[in-house]
Amino acid sequence: GAVVSQHPSWVICKSGTSVKIECRSLDFQATTMFWYRQFPKQSLMLMATSNEGSKATYEQGVEKDKFLINHASLTLSTLTVTSAHPEDSSFYICSAVYRGGEKLFFGSGTQLSVL
Amino acid sequence: GIQVEQSPPDLILQEGANSTLRCNFSDSVNNLQWFHQNPWGQLINLFYIPSGTKQNGRLSATTVATERYSLLYISSSQTTDSGVYFCAASRSYNTDKLIFGTGTRLQVFP
Repeated sequence: GAVVSQHPSWVICKSGTSVKIECRSLDFQATTMFWYRQFPKQSLMLMATSNEGSKATYEQGVEKDKFLINHASLTLSTLTVTSAHPEDSSFYICSAVYRGGEKLFFGSGTQLSVL
Repeated sequence: GIQVEQSPPDLILQEGANSTLRCNFSDSVNNLQWFHQNPWGQLINLFYIPSGTKQNGRLSATTVATERYSLLYISSSQTTDSGVYFCAASRSYNTDKLIFGTGTRLQVFP
């Protein structure tokens, strides 16, 4: 159980375009979802916490106008990278937890390359 | 915030060997988890272990909360164990503000 699906797995886009990444909990209702960013051979850095039906909480240094997060339902959260630039190229990973749960479950990640 | 450090940073093993990975945290925690990230980037939750000992097949984990460390044991390692192992900790009982450690990169050769 506790499957989290993330799409797309990889995306290449031109500088200045926007990219949307979807994160779905397939077999449970995710009251909270998290978005992370990971650079090559580095650890995961939390970008934002997304609660269903409310605004996301962003970590210090993360531009909320750049990384738009929507958690419109208990099974879907989206991350939109607006006006992407090469420095936004990274591996983005979502995770989810069900109500009252202590364990974190991850999507398979999205490799974003901005040309 | 909590600092989470892992050692060793890199580990190379031959198939069949045993290993111990360590996670040190700078403050008391109420949530500690171990994850395995495979070479394709997928993270799998191995253990939720804020204290005590748990075992799952060839893997086991022990957290000594009073001494602020956790250990992950891998016995009879297999090539499929390769990847990066992360521990993550938080003062919260839930998953809020889980801080990830620096990771241990494990390579298992046949």
